Amino acid sequence: GDSVTQMEGPVTLSEEAFLTINCTYTATGYPSLFWYVQYPGEGLQLLLKATKADDKGSNKGFEATYRKETTSFHLEKGSVQVSDSAVYFCALSRQSGSRLTFGEGTQLTVNP
Amino acid sequence: EAGVVQSPRYKIIEKKQPVAFWCNPISGHNTLYWYLQNLGQGPELLIRYENEEAVDDSQLPKDRFSAERLKGVDSTLKIQPAELGDSAVYLCASSVAGATDTQYFGPGTRLTVL
Repeated sequence: GDSVTQMEGPVTLSEEAFLTINCTYTATGYPSLFWYVQYPGEGLQLLLKATKADDKGSNKGFEATYRKETTSFHLEKGSVQVSDSAVYFCALSRQSGSRLTFGEGTQLTVNP
Repeated sequence: EAGVVQSPRYKIIEKKQPVAFWCNPISGHNTLYWYLQNLGQGPELLIRYENEEAVDDSQLPKDRFSAERLKGVDSTLKIQPAELGDSAVYLCASSVAGATDTQYFGPGTRLTVL
């Protein structure tokens, strides 16, 4: 079945540091890939997405590129801020409207 | 535009008691999802509705869980009887079928079973 694997967390960085959170997936065909973010006490929010190979999703300084050859969708940001502290989830869906399959989440803490 | 609304936000019950969660999706969203999120894990789908029809309920434990979406708008998820292992966050999400992959999530209901 489909699965998503995220790098083990938690991740602690200083403000303005470079961020990478690794995500790899297992799925047949060409799933859509997503990064969701969950701030404390809030629901999941879509951060970015990519729907086909080599697409790059970007939002709020975060980027991720859909790599079919390595089945990966790593999240990056060049300079993190304290306000980026949250839990980040990588996810996939087989087709529009179908279930999302999530990774286990990565807790990011950014210290001033 | 209002987001997905869920209530209650928190619920504490004794084991073997019944409990119900309510979800109001974003206006115009015909697809509604219920996900279960255990502590420290990613959400897992329990059931998906397209309008009034449950089209994916393979992960719903039907011996104790039930759901309904009358009139294709609001939805209720029920557990009867609750067990200690049901303590988790129950998330509702909605989307516009066929137009986008994006699912919009509510804040969730945190259930504690004592």
